[in-house]
This record gives sequence, C-alpha cells and structure tokens, in this order.
Amino acid sequence: RKEVEQDPGPFNVPEGATVAFNCTYSNSASQSFFWYRQDCRKEPKLLMSVYSSGNEDGRFTAQLNRASQYISLLIRDSKLSDSATYLCVVNAPHAGNNRKLIWGLGTSLAVNP
Amino acid sequence: DTGVSQDPRHKITKRGQNVTFRCDPISEHNRLYWYRQTLGQGPEFLTYFQNEAQLEKSRLLSDRFSAERPKGSFSTLEIQRTEQGDSAMYLCASSQPTRNEQYFGPGTRLTVT
Repeated sequence: RKEVEQDPGPFNVPEGATVAFNCTYSNSASQSFFWYRQDCRKEPKLLMSVYSSGNEDGRFTAQLNRASQYISLLIRDSKLSDSATYLCVVNAPHAGNNRKLIWGLGTSLAVNP
Repeated sequence: DTGVSQDPRHKITKRGQNVTFRCDPISEHNRLYWYRQTLGQGPEFLTYFQNEAQLEKSRLLSDRFSAERPKGSFSTLEIQRTEQGDSAMYLCASSQPTRNEQYFGPGTRLTVT
C-alpha cells in the first residue's frame, strides 16, 4: 500500500460545481495533514492545513477521519481558476523525526466554462 | 519578497557536466528541504537540513548528488556527472522550527541533453 494515495483524476467539472477529493494514508501515527495546490510547471503552494475538527476557508473545506485514515477536500462553487493539481500531504513520523512529509501524486482538476 | 528563492530558474546542461543549484529559505525558517519532481509525479524527497546539519538523505539519492548548508542559511545542491534521467524540477522548501508546513521556492528546471 502506498503511504499516501489519491485518485489521479482528471476531474472535469463545470463552473459552479462542487467537487470532492479523497486521500488515504497508511501511517496511523501521522499527525499533520495538508492540501497543496500546484499549477502546471509551478511550485506547490499550501492550500490548507487539515485539523482534526475539520476546517473551512471560504469555498474550501477539509476533513480528517483518523479512524479510516483519510482526508478530504471539498471545493464549492468551483471557479476556472481552481483548475490545478491538488496534492495530499501527510507527515511521516519515524526515528524521532516528524517533519518529513509524504506526498501523494496529486489529483488533477479542470473546471470548464 | 521574503519567500523562498532558487537560482537558477532554468538550467540546460550536457550529459556528464556538473551543476549546482542554490536555495535561499525564508529567513526565520531553520529547516530546509530539497525535492525532485518529474511530470505527473508528486515531489520526491531528496534531503533535509535542520540549521547546518543534514539530518536525512533519501536512499534514492545517488553518490552523484550532494547538498550543503554551511552556515545554516542558504543551501546548495550539486549533481555531478549529470545523466539524462536527472532532468526534472528541483524544488527547495523551508519550514519554521515548530511547524510542519513547508513553503516552496519556484524551483530549478534542469534539462540534461
């Protein structure tokens, strides 16, 4: 099982649609969870940290389910500018180092007019 | 601009040549990470530093790769005897002492011909 798994997509949705991405992780000791956004040929940019209680930032909502070891990202009222790859990221505690991050391969989203 | 910076942004080199990349992290960040990313893949961890100490190096990193962070500020990544398979985006990221969120520079795109 991969350490972090995501559906690669692509997800093609019309403007205004709601779209959800899921991500599963294998290390039950993981404590930090993030969603990053990456545009084509650009660097990843932090979109949201994911907290145990779930968190919302405008049109974006992130949820964490520790029992099932998955995190989700919900985008409401999608915009053309949301078209990007969304990377699920989880820390991998080991040997006293909890700063190493494990990256999913990303889920590609295309929002169409 | 107080973000992570990388230099050069693009590098084209012939197979067998040596190349060196530089990364300047966000000033108050004591952790610095190097990643490699190829098309359609998530960032692949190469190595990371806490201050000037190199604390972890990926097993995927061959002996041709070396990284330094001599004064705990900027870092360099050197690739000796480049091969075509080294062609990729090389990303640098930094993080605060007590946080796991990583912030990326724009990357150096290496093309080995």
